Amino acid sequence: QKEVEQNSGPLSVPEGAIASLNCTYSDRGSQSFFWYRQYSGKSPELIMFIYSNGDKEDGRFTAQLNKASQYVSLLIRDSQPSDSATYLCAVKSFVGGTYKYIFGTGTRLKVLA
Amino acid sequence: DGGITQSPKYLFRKEGQNVTLSCEQNLNHDAMYWYRQDPGQGLRLIYYSQIVNDFQKGDIAEGYSVSREKKESFPLTVTSAQKNPTAFYLCASSIGRGGLEQYFGPGTRLTVT
Repeated sequence: QKEVEQNSGPLSVPEGAIASLNCTYSDRGSQSFFWYRQYSGKSPELIMFIYSNGDKEDGRFTAQLNKASQYVSLLIRDSQPSDSATYLCAVKSFVGGTYKYIFGTGTRLKVLA
Repeated sequence: DGGITQSPKYLFRKEGQNVTLSCEQNLNHDAMYWYRQDPGQGLRLIYYSQIVNDFQKGDIAEGYSVSREKKESFPLTVTSAQKNPTAFYLCASSIGRGGLEQYFGPGTRLTVT
């Protein structure tokens, strides 16, 4: 069973701080990694994706991928109360002859004003 | 305006009734997916379709059915055989058969009493 693990949280950070969200995955052959933000009662919104080892930056967001450790993280700089949401990690894996997206259960982030 | 639409946003049904959830996309994406989300759980794949007139069961297909007669449309029917149908249903799409980023519609919240 291919798995994606996340700490459910909540992760509480003060406004302006860096929030660090982590995700581990079990399928060493996974190639694509995604971070979604989901506000309560809403659908997931894609915020970052990364395919290569290293860092990828987009505004206040940085995705980090370490395939050797099977670890992907999301850093949010200068956290704002509007960043308070659940963050879902997703991994695209080849399962049963086709590609599937495996989702973690999400980490709830609270940014305190 | 490109995107994925789902209707209705909220749906209430009595036990024993079949119900069909609509999903339409104008992104010209080949692949479409249906997920179910329950509180505290990750997204679980119900059905997916890589091309028109073809679809595959996901991890929890029992009690559900789909069709893919047009590229833009992928309706999901929740049948009376589904034991716990109350959930948040999410439709998603991605480019190509091995598509990369997956985008979600706004979701349909189904309540069955």
